[in-house]
Amino acid sequence: AQSVTQPDIHITVSEGASLELRCNYSYGATPYLFWYVQSPGQGLQLLLKYFSGDTLVQGIKGFEAEFKRSQSSFNLRKPSVHWSDAAEYFCAVGEGGGFKTIFGAGTRLFVKA
Amino acid sequence: SQTIHQWPATLVQPVGSPLSLECTVEGTSNPNLYWYRQAAGRGLQLLFYSVGIGQISSEVPQNLSASRPQDRQFILSSKKLLLSDSGFYLCAWRLAASGANVLTFGAGSRLTVL
Repeated sequence: AQSVTQPDIHITVSEGASLELRCNYSYGATPYLFWYVQSPGQGLQLLLKYFSGDTLVQGIKGFEAEFKRSQSSFNLRKPSVHWSDAAEYFCAVGEGGGFKTIFGAGTRLFVKA
Repeated sequence: SQTIHQWPATLVQPVGSPLSLECTVEGTSNPNLYWYRQAAGRGLQLLFYSVGIGQISSEVPQNLSASRPQDRQFILSSKKLLLSDSGFYLCAWRLAASGANVLTFGAGSRLTVL
C-alpha cells in the first residue's frame, strides 16, 4: 500500500533563511506527488504537484520541489522564508488512475524573526 | 468557478450524541468527494470517498458513516459520538475525470466531543 513519510514533525527557521522539508513515499508505480499548505484552522491549499517530466517543479509562493525516483523523495524547498510561511505542510501521493490521495503526518514550520 | 462549503465550522457535542456534518460543492458536476479527519500529529486520515450518488467507500472501520444523497452533497454522520471522534474534519472534491487527483478542500469543521 502507498504511504508517505514526513520525518520532521516541526522545523524552526529564521526569516530569510532557506528551507527544505523532507518527504519520502512508498508507491509501486509512478506516483502523483503533491505538497499542500494549511494555515491554522483552515483547509489545505495546493502548493505544487508533480505528475511527469521535469523533476523540479515550481509552485506558488516561491516554493519548489524536486522528485528523486532513486530516493523515493519529493522534498520541498524555498530559498528565503517569510514570516507568512509559518504553517503546516503536507506531502501527499495520489494513485495513478485511482481515487485516493494519501497524506503524510505533516511538518509544522515555525519562522523566527 | 468551483467552490466548496462545509458546515458547521465548529461543533461541541456530548459523548453519545448524534453528528451531521455537511459538505456541498458548487460549479461542477459528478465530482469525487472525500472526507478526511485530521487529529493532532497524525496528518490527514481518509475516512470516506464517493464517486457518485449513493456510492460510498469506507477506508477506516469506525462509528462514522457517510452519505451522498445528491450529486454535490456529501454528509458525514454518527449515531453516537465517542471521545475519539474529536478532530478537524475536512471535505474535499476533485474532478471525476481527472487522473491527476488534485484535491480542493473546504475550510473544515472542528468537532469537540466532551
